[in-house]
Amino acid sequence: EVQLVESGGGLVQPGGSLRLSCAASGFTFTNYGMHWVRQGPGKGLVWVSRINKDGTTNYADSVKGRFTISRDNVNNTVYLQMDSLRAEDTALYYCTRNNYYDVWGKGTTVTVSS
Amino acid sequence: DIVMTQSPDSLAVSLGERATINCKSSQSVLSSNKDNFLAWYQQKPGQPPKLLIYRASTRESGVPDRFSGSGSGTDFTLTISSLQAEDVAVYYCQQYYSIPLTFGPGTKVDIK
Repeated sequence: EVQLVESGGGLVQPGGSLRLSCAASGFTFTNYGMHWVRQGPGKGLVWVSRINKDGTTNYADSVKGRFTISRDNVNNTVYLQMDSLRAEDTALYYCTRNNYYDVWGKGTTVTVSS
Repeated sequence: DIVMTQSPDSLAVSLGERATINCKSSQSVLSSNKDNFLAWYQQKPGQPPKLLIYRASTRESGVPDRFSGSGSGTDFTLTISSLQAEDVAVYYCQQYYSIPLTFGPGTKVDIK
């Protein structure tokens, strides 16, 4: 079964850090670009970051310089290192694959609050 | 950045009737190979989005054929030909033509 499972979310103070993980299974991980998409409470979907098959990366302007995406092709996992977190980063963070998102995880919740 | 807009914001349709959602991109998403890099998603409460349509009109495997996508360039439509109770959801369009990938604001579909 093709599956993405996110973890690592939680409550963090403004200025703090979190590292999200997304474990992939059921497909050839190295064949796909991987993305993070977030959804604030009651809000729409917002693309955050992409890591391509070759390891090149892209970021939304709102997170550039604060977030870092990476992938481990041995353990089939994609990461999102989030530093200098702000209240506006509070959201449910989804891991997805491909450029049109045919597989989604259930998401992990990040809350930035003092 | 390509800005995606959707209309209407919400609509209520009787069971068995047609629902039509429009999506417009601020720039063309038609690629040089004639594919439109436009996808549609359905999101039900408490669930992740589900891919319905990609390349503007290609139905994802397992998606009922009452869902169809059309359009090209900057103007696109998602049609639910005969609304079922399980279709109550928010629908999003998304362009994957250029970074940053962007979504429309969503259209909420309810039963009248």
